[in-house]
Amino acid sequence: EAGVAQSPRYKIIEKRQSVAFWCNPISGHATLYWYQQILGQGPKLLIQFQNNGVVDDSQLPKDRFSAERLKGVDSTLKIQPAKLEDSAVYLCASMAVAGNTIYFGEGSWLTVV
Amino acid sequence: AQSVAQPEDQVNVAEGNPLTVKCTYSVSGNPYLFWYVQYPNRGLQFLLKYITGDNLVKGSYGFEAEFNKSQTSFHLKKPSALVSDSALYFCAVEISGTYKYIFGTGTRLKVLA
Repeated sequence: EAGVAQSPRYKIIEKRQSVAFWCNPISGHATLYWYQQILGQGPKLLIQFQNNGVVDDSQLPKDRFSAERLKGVDSTLKIQPAKLEDSAVYLCASMAVAGNTIYFGEGSWLTVV
Repeated sequence: AQSVAQPEDQVNVAEGNPLTVKCTYSVSGNPYLFWYVQYPNRGLQFLLKYITGDNLVKGSYGFEAEFNKSQTSFHLKKPSALVSDSALYFCAVEISGTYKYIFGTGTRLKVLA
């Protein structure tokens, strides 16, 4: 079974530029998460989708971050404009319907300079 | 506030010795509890979980964890550490019924040859 796929793996951008990350969850997984992991910290939930609906985006900085999951499968996380403090790993994860274990992708490593 | 605590930033253990990585939680209800491992430049990998039943759960790579309801703890253990176990370990808890997961700040395990 294929795991959670993310791209790009690494991205370096200048502050005020924009960036987008893509995630393809495990096939059939209805719940999709985006987490932000700053170096030395645990993952922090940015947004949680159930199919193509948003369940929780309370910690998403909506002035610069946006995410969508239009067809209930793939998802895109966008940052515009980026700030230095956005340098982090952006982890996508998914969970099956009626499941209780979330599975992570390899992460997208963002450096803002 | 609901939280997960990993009181040790780093744990050092000699190869072949038993290891323990500590986790305590403060969550209402009967939460699900998890351990994940993160190797350098990789995403989080699921190790084991406690849902209900036997307080001692076994997981991947010889790891096990003991759930203690009275102490609200879920410590990760392994009888004999390997150098290859050196990694960053995260404890996580699912807030009952929400499919929302809170992660600890992580504990870096160093197994010395």
